[in-house]
Amino acid sequence: GDSVTQMEGPVTLSEEAFLTINCTYTATGYPSLFWYVQYPGEGLQLLLKATKADDKGSNKGFEATYRKETTSFHLEKGSVQVSDSAVYFCALNTGRRALTFGSGTRLQVQP
Amino acid sequence: GAVVSQHPSWVICKSGTSVKIECRSLDFQATTMFWYRQFPKQSLMLMATSNEGSKATYEQGVEKDKFLINHASLTLSTLTVTSAHPEDSSFYICSALVSGLAVQETQYFGPGTRLLVL
Repeated sequence: GDSVTQMEGPVTLSEEAFLTINCTYTATGYPSLFWYVQYPGEGLQLLLKATKADDKGSNKGFEATYRKETTSFHLEKGSVQVSDSAVYFCALNTGRRALTFGSGTRLQVQP
Repeated sequence: GAVVSQHPSWVICKSGTSVKIECRSLDFQATTMFWYRQFPKQSLMLMATSNEGSKATYEQGVEKDKFLINHASLTLSTLTVTSAHPEDSSFYICSALVSGLAVQETQYFGPGTRLLVL
């Protein structure tokens, strides 16, 4: 079946540091890939997505590129802020409309 | 953007009682809603797909008689945990699907309900 594996956290960075959160997947067919973010006390919000190979999703300075050859969708940001502290979920969708999620990675950014 | 609410946000109940969790789409209609369950430090696991006006579709291993889902309107789906036991303690999250072209469908998530069964 479909699955998503993402790096365990927490990831602790200083403000303005470079961020990478790794995500790899296994899926039948051609999935769409997503990153969701959950801020403390809030629901999951869509951060970015990519629907086909080599697509790059981007939003709020975050980027992720759909790499079919390595089945990866790593999340990156060049300079993190304290306000980016949250839990980040990688997910995929293969057309059945429900999402398959990774376990989530908690990011803590220190001033 | 689209907002999904859940009520209650957290609940503590005694073993053997039933608990109802509501999921509402506040400013849009959702023909499809999903119910997920999340254990500490684990993934969100899909429990069931709820379609307005029809029976829910449950994932393998999810007891339909224990987790009753009702989607009676385009803005409300409810999950009732019947005869709750401590192993049902978990974080329950719903999402609502904004209908449209398949490639543009987006899920909006509620803030979750934390259930603790004593």
